[in-house]
Amino acid sequence: ETGVTQTPRHLVMGMTNKKSLKCEQHLGHNAMYWYKQSAKKPLELMFVYNFKEQTENNSVPSRFSPECPNSSHLFLHLHTLQPEDSALYLCASSPLGSSGGYEQYFGPGTRLTVT
Amino acid sequence: GEDVEQSLFLSVREGDSSVINCTYTDSSSTYLYWYKQEPGAGLQLLTYIFSNMDMKQDQRLTVLLNKKDKHLSLRIADTQTGDSAIYFCAEGRGTALIFGKGTTLSVSS
Repeated sequence: ETGVTQTPRHLVMGMTNKKSLKCEQHLGHNAMYWYKQSAKKPLELMFVYNFKEQTENNSVPSRFSPECPNSSHLFLHLHTLQPEDSALYLCASSPLGSSGGYEQYFGPGTRLTVT
Repeated sequence: GEDVEQSLFLSVREGDSSVINCTYTDSSSTYLYWYKQEPGAGLQLLTYIFSNMDMKQDQRLTVLLNKKDKHLSLRIADTQTGDSAIYFCAEGRGTALIFGKGTTLSVSS
């Protein structure tokens, strides 16, 4: 248990659906991240939030919309996804500037399947 | 080429030592990390090393850093079947981590 929880753990959605992924961290960290993990590809950083402000958006399509209402919660809103968006979506948090630099702690991920 | 490179597979026998290698490209990276991912789980931080260190040991894990060659390795002593997983090397850039594709370690008894 890393102190980062994600819900749901599994999600199947059609291309016309709208759904949201939720991440919560209980570690008192100041930064939160969304990653996409696809088979045979490196882990792809999608979004970074520092102190609730988005500081990075790595050319992610607009059908993915992040929301960070406070430093403990992070959402990823999904709409009109494509089958190639099927992947494991991982959330992480970081304390920023601790002894380990910016080490990140990951949640268990949401396995998303787009049909 | 990729920013962080790792070999994709490593197979060892139980009780042997495993060495997983990684090369990175950004010489200004301050911290380098090793993560472990078991099936169906997220990434677990195993250890990290500050760039002014050559070596860090933590129980069965030894990290070696050759900053000149931008080479990082993770040695697991007395490898157990429970060590079977995917191991990711990552370099820190600002507040982001850049990951390799991961090395799948298979441990046979």
